[in-house]
Amino acid sequence: AAGVIQSPRHLIKEKRETATLKCYPIPRHDTVYWYQQGPGQDPQFLISFYEKMQSDKGSIPDRFSAQQFSDYHSELNMSSLELGDSALYFCASSEGTSGGQETQYFGPGTRLLVL
Amino acid sequence: AQKVTQAQTEISVVEKEDVTLDCVYETRDTTYYLFWYKQPPSGELVFLIRRNSFDEQNEISGRYSWNFQKSTSSFNFTITASQVVDSAVYFCALSEPKTSYDKVIFGPGTSLSVIP
Repeated sequence: AAGVIQSPRHLIKEKRETATLKCYPIPRHDTVYWYQQGPGQDPQFLISFYEKMQSDKGSIPDRFSAQQFSDYHSELNMSSLELGDSALYFCASSEGTSGGQETQYFGPGTRLLVL
Repeated sequence: AQKVTQAQTEISVVEKEDVTLDCVYETRDTTYYLFWYKQPPSGELVFLIRRNSFDEQNEISGRYSWNFQKSTSSFNFTITASQVVDSAVYFCALSEPKTSYDKVIFGPGTSLSVIP
């Protein structure tokens, strides 16, 4: 079965640089979610989109922005990177409107290292 | 306050032993959903099970079983006859559509090591 695809899988950036993470949801899934998992931490919800509109927002820094495109893929843009942004970034997807009722299937994650 | 508590930070068992991972949750919503995810050393998050608040029936899937008890707000996960491939961090998680909408709230995780 097709899963959530994330690219790149690994990314190394310098402080103050910009990074773009991409997420391709499971086919027919129209809701995407972004989570950040710091070292030794549990995943923390950043933001979600349903049908290309922002659905919910969590603890996402103002330096980060995201959007969902017409083909339902999503991109997380991160600017002015800081050392503390080093983490594993997960994208998840679900079918139909969420509101927390649908199972979120996670991608393999993008491991970002900021030097 | 922690909404999902996994009191066991690390557990080590010898292969073929049974092991139970504890999860206690806290919510005021009457409708909520509970999940278990597995995170092996490779890092991906693998969905294991989803339970809604109206279904307290226990579930068994192969060597995995789950015990959901609303009276104690617990959703424990048991692995029988553990194997080395079960070594991973296991997260219990909660979604409360009314209070937290899209956000899935993860517990701190339990790191399970199965020793051959």
